[in-house]
Amino acid sequence: EVQLVESGGGLVQPGGSLKLSCAASGFTFSASAMHWVRQASGKGLEWVGRIRSKANSYATTYAASVKGRFTISRDDSKNTAYLQMNSLKAEDTAVYYCTREEETATHDFDYWGQGTLVTVSS
Amino acid sequence: QSALTQPPSASGSPGQSVTISCTGTSSDVGGYNYVSWYQQNPGKAPKLMIYEVSKRPSGVPDRFSGSKSGDTASLTVSGLQAEDEADYYCSSYAGNNNAWVFGGGTKLTVL
Repeated sequence: EVQLVESGGGLVQPGGSLKLSCAASGFTFSASAMHWVRQASGKGLEWVGRIRSKANSYATTYAASVKGRFTISRDDSKNTAYLQMNSLKAEDTAVYYCTREEETATHDFDYWGQGTLVTVSS
Repeated sequence: QSALTQPPSASGSPGQSVTISCTGTSSDVGGYNYVSWYQQNPGKAPKLMIYEVSKRPSGVPDRFSGSKSGDTASLTVSGLQAEDEADYYCSSYAGNNNAWVFGGGTKLTVL
C-alpha cells in the first residue's frame, strides 16, 4: 500500500522557519520525483515545487511565490522528502501536501499525503 | 505563472452529464498534453482522476472522461452519482518554466 505521511507543521511567527517532512512507502521512492502542493483554507491548490530523482540530478524547481525562500530536498536512504521554509509570511499559511510524480513523463500527481497544516501568525 | 481558469461551480441531476472547463494558455494547457484532473472531498487529499488529458488511472470509473481543444481542457462526468459531489481541480505542466499550474477549482453539486 502506498503511503505518504507529512509531518512538521505547526504555528510559526512571520519571518520564521519550518521544515516539513514527507515519509514515503509502498513505491520506489528513489525513482520518483516528489512535489509539494499547498492549499490555503477555503482556497484552491497551489504548486510549490519539485525535486527530481538521482537519475535526474536531484534537480529542483519552485513556484515564483516561494523561490529563494523554500528549499526541497530528499534522503533516498530514508524514503523521505523535505520542504525547508524560511522567511515565512502570513500568506504561506496553508495545508501542505507532498505528492509523487512518476518520472515517466506523465507529469501528474498520482499519490498524495494527508497534508500538514502550517500557520504563520504572530 | 497564472492559475488556470475554471468555473467556480457546476451542477447536474443524478444520471445527467456535466462538463467542467479549464482554460489556460499556449504555455501550459495548449502547449502540452499534460493536463490532469483531481477530485477533492472536504478535508481530504486530492485524488487523481484523469492524466495526460484523457487517460484514467486504474480504479477510476469510466464515467469520467477528459478532452482538450486548444488552450481549454474539459472534464466530463457522465451518469452523475451523488458520490461525485466534490471539488475538481485541473492541472497542467508549464514547460517553459518547468513548473505546474492548477485551476482555481470547481465545486460540483449533484442536485
